Amino acid sequence: DSGVTQTPKHLITATGQRVTLRCSPRSGDLSVYWYQQSLDQGLQFLIQYYNGEERAKGNILERFSAQQFPDLHSELNLSSLELGDSALYFCASSGPTGANVLTFGAGSRLTVL
Amino acid sequence: AQSVTQPDIHITVSEGASLELRCNYSYGATPYLFWYVQSPGQGLQLLLKYFSGDTLVQGIKGFEAEFKRSQSSFNLRKPSVHWSDAAEYVCAVGTGNQFYFGTGTSLTVIP
Repeated sequence: DSGVTQTPKHLITATGQRVTLRCSPRSGDLSVYWYQQSLDQGLQFLIQYYNGEERAKGNILERFSAQQFPDLHSELNLSSLELGDSALYFCASSGPTGANVLTFGAGSRLTVL
Repeated sequence: AQSVTQPDIHITVSEGASLELRCNYSYGATPYLFWYVQSPGQGLQLLLKYFSGDTLVQGIKGFEAEFKRSQSSFNLRKPSVHWSDAAEYVCAVGTGNQFYFGTGTSLTVIP
């Protein structure tokens, strides 16, 4: 157990729908990162939050949004889903200072039919 | 721009054989370097990391990696592979608060 909790583990939905993925970071970590891993592709950075504020944004579609709450858990909202959004979505957290190391959750596998 | 290249998409080795997985990065300064392992249905688990100092770093599960600044490389090695090492191996570079990942090398171990 890495200490980073992601729910749900699996999600099957239809095109056009909206889903929310949830992440609880490791205890003491202030940063949360979201990544997308599609079939045969590397990890694509979506967005980073630090202590409730957006810190960096990557290749995140406008249909996607995220936030980090005061208790530091984060949610990634995916709307108007398309077939191509089917992927593994990983959350990772890192510590507050110094040389950061990412600790990953087990991922949420989204299947859009 | 920062980038990480893992030239080998897939590698097959026999159990007991040695292993070397290649990783090259592009970054202007000395980055933080990482190797992660990803098993099917699992998240990425940190194998080892390099921040500074000794360029040969030891990790978990008997893995080691060597940072070579002149070659911008951080290759992962294991002297004797076990069947349980079959997995996806991902190299990563950290710069400040940002991380860049390679596309991974899939390792198959044959008995």
